[in-house]
Amino acid sequence: GNSVTQMEGPVTLSEEAFLTINCTYTATGYPSLFWYVQYPGEGLQLLLKATKADDKGSNKGFEATYRKETTSFHLEKGSVQVSDSAVYFCALRDAGGSYIPTFGRGTSLIVHP
Amino acid sequence: DADVTQTPRNRITKTGKRIMLECSQTKGHDRMYWYRQDPGLGLRLIYYSFDVKDINKGEISDGYSVSRQAQAKFSLSLESAIPNQTALYFCATSDLGQGNEQFFGPGTRLTVL
Repeated sequence: GNSVTQMEGPVTLSEEAFLTINCTYTATGYPSLFWYVQYPGEGLQLLLKATKADDKGSNKGFEATYRKETTSFHLEKGSVQVSDSAVYFCALRDAGGSYIPTFGRGTSLIVHP
Repeated sequence: DADVTQTPRNRITKTGKRIMLECSQTKGHDRMYWYRQDPGLGLRLIYYSFDVKDINKGEISDGYSVSRQAQAKFSLSLESAIPNQTALYFCATSDLGQGNEQFFGPGTRLTVL
């Protein structure tokens, strides 16, 4: 079956540090890949997505590139802010069957001033 | 106004009580989902529905039931609540299509004493 593996958190950084959150997946076919962000007290919201190999999704300074050869979709940001503190979820939707999403367990990011 | 709303936002109940969580959406999506979130476990799918006449079990449906009253409404019930159902519950919607993201409600925090 499908699966998504994320690095465990919490990830703790100082403001303006570089961020990487690793995400790898297992899926049949060519899934679409997503990063969602959950701010404290809120539901998840889409951060960025990529629907085919070598696509780069980007939003709010965050980027992730769909790497089929390594089955990865790592999230990066060059300079984090305190306001980026949140939980980040990697997810996929498989091309086969019913497109039911599969989520990773989430990675908590804490950014200190 | 929010596209996906959930009521109540917080609920404290006792073991054995019947509880209903409600979800409404104005996105016009056919697909709706119920998830629970527990620390360290990420999101787990309870039930999902592709249209009013279609209900499907997710990975953790035991102890839960759902009702799709209309395209816009999808309710989750706990027939006899137990303490290990204490969690944060999210409703989500999506359109058909592998590349389409999900839209989440703000969540319901349920505590079963």
